[in-house]
Amino acid sequence: AAGVIQSPRHLIKEKRETATLKCYPIPRHDTVYWYQQGPGQDPQFLISFYEKMQSDKGSIPDRFSAQQFSDYHSELNMSSLELGDSALYFCASSLVLASTDTQYFGPGTRLTVL
Amino acid sequence: AQSVAQPEDQVNVAEGNPLTVKCTYSVSGNPYLFWYVQYPNRGLQFLLKYITGDNLVKGSYGFEAEFNKSQTSFHLKKPSALVSDSALYFCAVWWNAGNMLTFGGGTRLMVKP
Repeated sequence: AAGVIQSPRHLIKEKRETATLKCYPIPRHDTVYWYQQGPGQDPQFLISFYEKMQSDKGSIPDRFSAQQFSDYHSELNMSSLELGDSALYFCASSLVLASTDTQYFGPGTRLTVL
Repeated sequence: AQSVAQPEDQVNVAEGNPLTVKCTYSVSGNPYLFWYVQYPNRGLQFLLKYITGDNLVKGSYGFEAEFNKSQTSFHLKKPSALVSDSALYFCAVWWNAGNMLTFGGGTRLMVKP
C-alpha cells in the first residue's frame, strides 16, 4: 500500500539559511499534519491542512510557514534557521480531519542545522 | 487541554514473556486514544486505536490495548514479546480543541533474548 512520502530524507543547512521540506500524502487523503521531534523528545504538532486550507496551528515558529497545494502535497518552509531547529520533521496524512481518523506518518526528514 | 503520560521511560522484558507499556490520559469528553511505534531512524507506525466500543482493542503485530475508563488508562500489551518488538512506543490522544494528536513522552521497550 502507498505510504506518506517525505523529501528529502536528510538535510544539512547552515544557521540563517532556509529549508523546504516536502510531503506527499497517501492518495485520497486530504488532510496533512506536520510534527517536529527533537532529540529524545516526543513529536510536537506544528500545523495542519484540510482540503488545501490551513486548519490548525500548534507550536510553529513565525519563521516557518507551510501550505498545501492543489494536488494535496504540502511543503514546510523554514527560514532563518537556528541550531535549535535541528530535529526530525514528520508529515502525517489522514483521510479526513476527524478525531477518529488514523494519522499515517511518513519516514521523516532529519534536518541538521550547523 | 488533553494530555497523556507514559510513566516508564524504559521497559525491559525477556523474549517470550508478556509485555505491558503503560499510558494514562487526561481528557475532557470522550477520549480517542492511539498507540504508535517508532523504530530507529524511522517514522511512527500506527499500531491501534480506541474510539468506542469494546475496551480491548486488537492491533498490528499481535499487540492489543485495554481501555479502562475508571483508571483513565490505555495500556499496550502483548502476550509474548519478540526481540524485534524492541522500539520506542508512543501513546497519543486526539485533542478536539486543537484538532491534533498530543503524544506522551514515549517508552523504550527492550526485549532481551
